[in-house]
Amino acid sequence: EVQLVESGGGLVQPGRSLRLSCAASGFTFDDYAVHWVRQAPGKAPEWVSGINWKSESIGYADSVKGRFTVSRDNAKKSLYLQMNSLRAEDTALYYCAKTTCSRASCYAYFFDYWGQGTLVTVSS
Amino acid sequence: IQLTQSPSSLSASVGDRVTITCRASQGISRYLAWYQQKPGKAPKLLIYVASILQSGVPSRFSGSGSGTDFTLTISSLQPEDFATYYCQHLNSYPLTFGGGTKVEIK
Repeated sequence: EVQLVESGGGLVQPGRSLRLSCAASGFTFDDYAVHWVRQAPGKAPEWVSGINWKSESIGYADSVKGRFTVSRDNAKKSLYLQMNSLRAEDTALYYCAKTTCSRASCYAYFFDYWGQGTLVTVSS
Repeated sequence: IQLTQSPSSLSASVGDRVTITCRASQGISRYLAWYQQKPGKAPKLLIYVASILQSGVPSRFSGSGSGTDFTLTISSLQPEDFATYYCQHLNSYPLTFGGGTKVEIK
């Protein structure tokens, strides 16, 4: 069974940093691209960042570019999101999501498994 | 690429046929997915590449379209289908989601 478990969220002041983690199990983690998607209360999901299996291809939303850094540790089957210079508008539930994009076949990024999310609140 | 869904909400009865549309700001071929989200839960993949049904999703859900105009159809609405539906474009960064369509009970 595929499982994605996020952690690291919490209340943080504007301008501070936070590091999110996602622990994966139930699939060959180092074969797949994995992404972060966030959702502010009452809003649509917003794609944040994605990273392929070898960390060669990385993408960021314009809203976080230069402030957030995605990384992965295939040996630990884990995905990370380092968030710096946090703003109030970064407040959201952050999901880790697996794509079907793999080293064997990658033609599109859609999310077949999601974690339960970790809540980040940026407020003074 | 911006995705505009319509309507933003609708009221329907069990057994109704429901159609939701998603319009892309530029052509995206068939690179579109649809998700269902219920309160307090993560989105669930329903359809990808415009019309391919994800494994385990009931056949009353179908998708169509290409280029800029796409539709999600529920052929006979069931009680468990009351939820919010989102479209997402698939093939180039930055990935984007539509604003959502909330399907409510009439």
